[in-house]
Amino acid sequence: SQELEQSPQSLIVQEGKNLTINCTSSKTLYGLYWYKQKYGEGLIFLMMLQKGGEEKSHEKITAKLDEKKQQSSLHITASQPSHAGIYLCGADPPGGTSYGKLTFGQGTILTVHP
Amino acid sequence: DTAVSQTPKYLVTQMGNDKSIKCEQNLGHDTMYWYKQDSKKFLKIMFSYNNKELIINETVPNRFSPKSPDKAHLNLHINSLELGDSAVYFCASSQQANTIYFGEGSWLTVV
Repeated sequence: SQELEQSPQSLIVQEGKNLTINCTSSKTLYGLYWYKQKYGEGLIFLMMLQKGGEEKSHEKITAKLDEKKQQSSLHITASQPSHAGIYLCGADPPGGTSYGKLTFGQGTILTVHP
Repeated sequence: DTAVSQTPKYLVTQMGNDKSIKCEQNLGHDTMYWYKQDSKKFLKIMFSYNNKELIINETVPNRFSPKSPDKAHLNLHINSLELGDSAVYFCASSQQANTIYFGEGSWLTVV
């Protein structure tokens, strides 16, 4: 079965700093999703990557899927307290189409100090 | 105009009770899901319904019974609640196998 490992597990940064969260898969990624979760709230969809080398940005958050499609990174530029939360990567099962059977990493807890 | 809404948001109940969590989506999606997030924050799929038909059942105990009266609703009923059922339950939906959108979660505590 596919496993996703996120690193670091937790991260504390000062406001304004850049940071990177990694998601490494034990198998080739066919669809990689990034979500953000705030306590007491649901998961907010950030981005989805499918092609090796693909990079997408939303405001100050950029996500990339490496060429070999086994790792994705999420980069936040000039972090703000509003970026704080748990970041989760999720992946389609090997072979693609899953009807929602995503495998998730354990999450990265991000704290941003003002 | 919440896309995926679930109720209740918080639920505290005693062992042995039966409880339900309701979910509704107004996105017009044809696929709905229940995910469970345990105390270690791992998020795992429990059930998936496509056009009211069960398509994924991830070895969840029989005490958990999803019901989909129509494409926009997927309710989760849990019988004989146990301490280990304490978790956050997320409802979600998607259009077929596309991006999944999650509800805000239901925090279940069994005492």
